[in-house]
Amino acid sequence: QQQVKQSPQSLIVQKGGISIINCAYENTAFDYFPWYQQFPGKGPALLIAIRPDVSEKKEGRFTISFNKSAKQFSLHIMDSQPGDSATYFCAAEQGGSEKLVFGKGTKLTVNP
Amino acid sequence: ETGVTQTPRHLVMGMTNKKSLKCEQHLGHNAMYWYKQSAKKPLELMFVYNFKEQTENNSVPSRFSPECPNSSHLFLHLHTLQPEDSALYLCASSLGSGQNNEQFFGPGTRLTVL
Repeated sequence: QQQVKQSPQSLIVQKGGISIINCAYENTAFDYFPWYQQFPGKGPALLIAIRPDVSEKKEGRFTISFNKSAKQFSLHIMDSQPGDSATYFCAAEQGGSEKLVFGKGTKLTVNP
Repeated sequence: ETGVTQTPRHLVMGMTNKKSLKCEQHLGHNAMYWYKQSAKKPLELMFVYNFKEQTENNSVPSRFSPECPNSSHLFLHLHTLQPEDSALYLCASSLGSGQNNEQFFGPGTRLTVL
């Protein structure tokens, strides 16, 4: 059973465009939703995270939108740049359990 | 060195070999993790250590044996592995106080089992 479903599997965007990656979850006990970014040859690194008491969080060009009733959250990358080309993972954690459940990842390619 | 380091970065082993992966964190964290990353699959949590005590074993086969001698070091001992165990093995660490803390990942060890 996949607890966090992520789509699309891959995404190609032109420079300056908006990249959108979606995730859905089933476990209503999840209360922390981070996004991780992974470049080839590197481990994942935290990009931005949100808790369910807010519907949106923005950090620079990166925004998380959170819909608690639909049990969905998404990552929006505005003004996408070639340097944003990486694999992005959504994740969820329950109540400080320190056990992150990851989506399968989205490989983003931003063409110049 | 800063952050989370892992050695070796690449490892090729036969099914009858015994090898160990090493992870070291220089962040003063108290929790350490092993993850398995395979193509087209989510990162799979394998083990969690909090203050050197194992708090999670995610139904990992016994051919994988973790060891955490102190809060800074984590090992994964491998023996009689199968080809399907070939993957990227990632180590991570966090503060470990149960507050949804950020996990910091190492670069991983790319393991190939022949």
